[in-house]
Amino acid sequence: NAGVTQTPKFQVLKTGQSMTLQCAQDMNHNSMYWYRQDPGMGLRLIYYSASEGTTDKGEVPNGYNVSRLNKREFSLRLESAAPSQTSVYFCASSVSRSRQETQYFGPGTRLLVL
Amino acid sequence: AQTVTQSQPEMSVQEAETVTLSCTYDTSESDYYLFWYKQPPSRQMILVIRQEAYKQQNATENRFSVNFQKAAKSFSLKISDSQLGDAAMYFCAYGDNYGQNFVFGPGTRLSVLP
Repeated sequence: NAGVTQTPKFQVLKTGQSMTLQCAQDMNHNSMYWYRQDPGMGLRLIYYSASEGTTDKGEVPNGYNVSRLNKREFSLRLESAAPSQTSVYFCASSVSRSRQETQYFGPGTRLLVL
Repeated sequence: AQTVTQSQPEMSVQEAETVTLSCTYDTSESDYYLFWYKQPPSRQMILVIRQEAYKQQNATENRFSVNFQKAAKSFSLKISDSQLGDAAMYFCAYGDNYGQNFVFGPGTRLSVLP
């Protein structure tokens, strides 16, 4: 039981390049989330998927797209990376979004955009 | 919009002593959820404690307990018998009852002195 896994662990991009961050969970959770964490700030929600087949914007969605590939997988895509997207990205999952069930987090992906 | 404030950017405690981390939040809702998450140097986000606002009783988990003051919109975390492994960033978080909003505070860095 791996919980929530994320790939890659670390990535360096040049401005304008694209990449996809992968996230998978093996807990049969319905809801999945993408957050970014910047120094001096808590985590901020980028996008979430309340259930398979649905996605919704969070607090800071600009510059990102997501895909809920199936119940297990939720990917985050940067189409044209910008230095402002340098951050640590966390994926999380929960049984459901309603009633704010506990979210379980992956280990994070550190992204540096030059 | 809901906000979460943690007024102590850094705290320190002597091993085996007790420390309290502060959190205040702003909401117009009557039902919601509050959380404390721990982030050690490994960056892994770990749930410490979860409180449902409609429950009067303060949540506890072993050495961790909260003081939930609903009228004051305050949700402090008390760590008893502090251990070296408690050293981490601690984030307070608010979640509404509809699964629409989940907001983290900026965090408090806790150091445990031997």
